Amino acid sequence: EAGVVQSPRYKIIEKKQPVAFWCNPISGHNTLYWYRQNLGQGPELLIRYENEEAVDDSQLPKDRFSAERLKGVDSTLKIQPAELGDSAVYLCASSLDGTQREAKNIQYFGAGTRLSVL
Amino acid sequence: DQQVKQNSPSLSVQEGRISILNCDYTNSMFDYFLWYKKYPAEGPTFLISISSIKDKNEDGRFTVFLNKSAKHLSLHIVPSQPGDSAVYFCAASDWANNLFFGTGTRLTVIP
Repeated sequence: EAGVVQSPRYKIIEKKQPVAFWCNPISGHNTLYWYRQNLGQGPELLIRYENEEAVDDSQLPKDRFSAERLKGVDSTLKIQPAELGDSAVYLCASSLDGTQREAKNIQYFGAGTRLSVL
Repeated sequence: DQQVKQNSPSLSVQEGRISILNCDYTNSMFDYFLWYKKYPAEGPTFLISISSIKDKNEDGRFTVFLNKSAKHLSLHIVPSQPGDSAVYFCAASDWANNLFFGTGTRLTVIP
C-alpha cells in the first residue's frame, strides 16, 4: 500500500515569490494534516481537514497561507508571498477517520517538502 | 509555550544496551501519547503509543512507560541496534486528536 506522497521534495525560491506543495494521502484516510517543522523543532500543526472541511486552521497564517482539499482526497498548501522565515520542512500526514481513538490518532507522514526561501 | 518537552537533544548508546528516551508534558488534558521515529530525509514514522489509562505498553524491543502524576513518559529500547539510530519524537494528543510534538532526541547506537 502506498504511503502519503508529497511533492516536490525540495523547493528553493526567492522571497516574495509564491510556492505550492501537494499531498496525496493514504487511500481511505479521511483526515489530512499539514505541519511545519522548523530546524531543530518538532512538527507543528498548520491545518487539519476532515474530508473536504478544514476543521482546525487556527495555526495557519491566513494572510499568506492557504490550503484546499478538493473532493476530500489530495490537498494543496500555498504560500503567497513567501518570506525568509517560511524556510522549513512542510509535512503532510493522514489518518483514518474511525471511531477508535487509537486509529484516529495514528498519523502517517509523508517525506515532506523542504522549502528554502532566499 | 512548549507543552511537550524532550530535554535531551541527543543520546549515545552501545549496541545491545538499553536506550531510554524521556519526555515531559505540561497539559494534564493530554490523554494519548505516541512516539515517532524519523530517519534523515524521511517523514516521522509511528513507533508505539499509550493511552492515559495505562502505565505501560510493550511492542517487541520497545516499551513505553507513562507516569501521569509526574507528567512524564519514557521509551525503552532493549536491546538497542545500530538501525535504531534516528531522531525520536514524543507526541501528545488532546481531546480533539491534535498532536503536540516535542523537539526530538537524536539516538545514536554505536556498533
